[in-house]
Amino acid sequence: GAVVSQHPSRVICKSGTSVKIECRSLDFQATTMFWYRQFPKQSLMLMATSNEGSKATYEQGVEKDKFLINHASLTLSTLTVTSAHPEDSSFYICSARDRQGGYNEQFFGPGTRLTVL
Amino acid sequence: AQSVTQLDSQVPVFEEAPVELRCNYSSSVSVYLFWYVQYPNQGLQLLLKYLSGSTLVKGINGFEAEFNKSQTSFHLRKPSVHISDTAEYFCAVSEGYSSASKIIFGSGTRLSIRP
Repeated sequence: GAVVSQHPSRVICKSGTSVKIECRSLDFQATTMFWYRQFPKQSLMLMATSNEGSKATYEQGVEKDKFLINHASLTLSTLTVTSAHPEDSSFYICSARDRQGGYNEQFFGPGTRLTVL
Repeated sequence: AQSVTQLDSQVPVFEEAPVELRCNYSSSVSVYLFWYVQYPNQGLQLLLKYLSGSTLVKGINGFEAEFNKSQTSFHLRKPSVHISDTAEYFCAVSEGYSSASKIIFGSGTRLSIRP
């Protein structure tokens, strides 16, 4: 199946700094990528939908100025957590939809664990 | 809007016993249904999906699920579990066919296997 990678897998940063997380589709082109957030022992909450070449669509309650999403190419989307605070510590997972995929096939990355001190 | 309810947050089962993880969904249109597994500190792995056709779907690792439209359910089953099946299981639903269709996840069921 298709592979989605995320980098870094873990990041620890100080409060007030910004962190960028990359999501790449390695062997397919992804018109649409999604960003999810998962708190410990909880489910995945969709944060935003990212379409190549256009602005991301954020879910209700997600601060777009806090979580900057850029989908510059068909294989790369980035999530930047700006001025991170301890409450932003979480597991961030991206997924990508195969451009040629029949129908709704989404492939998930391995996740990035962000810890803000 | 679509939603997914996983009725059990935790399911303890003895090794080699059968298991059923329950999932109900709500949607006003036709849906696509999924089960994902997440091992500790890892991403998601697709177990199986229902798109159309046969209501009994077989997936990896010996799991299967049955789509029941009248009961709006998509329960996951395995006839005999193994210690390695210990993980978090998520039921998910997606409406529509467009590239913008979103996958919404249930709250998850933690399956713990006892020897």
